[in-house]
Amino acid sequence: NAGVTQTPKFQVLKTGQSMTLQCAQDMNHEYMSWYRQDPGMGLRLIHYSVGAGITDQGEVPNGYNVSRSTTEDFPLRLLSAAPSQTSVYFCASRTHYEQYFGPGTRLTVT
Amino acid sequence: AQKITQTQPGMFVQEKEAVTLDCTYDTSDPSYGLFWYKQPSSGEMIFLIYQGSYDQQNATEGRYSLNFQKARKSANLVISASQLGDSAMYFCAMRGGNTGTASKLTFGTGTRLQVTL
Repeated sequence: NAGVTQTPKFQVLKTGQSMTLQCAQDMNHEYMSWYRQDPGMGLRLIHYSVGAGITDQGEVPNGYNVSRSTTEDFPLRLLSAAPSQTSVYFCASRTHYEQYFGPGTRLTVT
Repeated sequence: AQKITQTQPGMFVQEKEAVTLDCTYDTSDPSYGLFWYKQPSSGEMIFLIYQGSYDQQNATEGRYSLNFQKARKSANLVISASQLGDSAMYFCAMRGGNTGTASKLTFGTGTRLQVTL
């Protein structure tokens, strides 16, 4: 099993650009989610999904979109990048007892 | 609303000693889960241990144990026989038991542990 994979590992965007962070898992988990990690703030939930076709907003959803067309994939779209979205982004999938994180994407918006 | 509080921004421990990292939580859900994660300098999030709110015994995983005191709403992580490789950031997190809270983890701000010789 590859677990949770994320691409890219690093990305630099200019303000106003859009992009998609990719996330995939091969553990057949129904639950998937996206978090961002900012210095001194722990991880905060952006969006989550409880299964294919079902998504919902987390704590900090503004400026991001998600969709879940398959169990395996859960991409995160930045619609118009802003410097406030400079952060490390983690995708995760879970069972009841464990939540598995991807390796993270470090995004810088200039 | 769920809240996790980690009051120790940084901790030092000598190699081979035990250390306790504090975590308190607040929730109105009758059932919930508590997690600890380790984040080394390389950045990945490593799952360490899980405690369910109805579990009768404290969770243990190797050198990690969770000191769960439900009445005090605390879920402290105890690392026994510290090793240099334990130096990392440690996060406490909670997942609620209701439909709205079961799908998301709420994280604390973390404790940076430094193991010294």
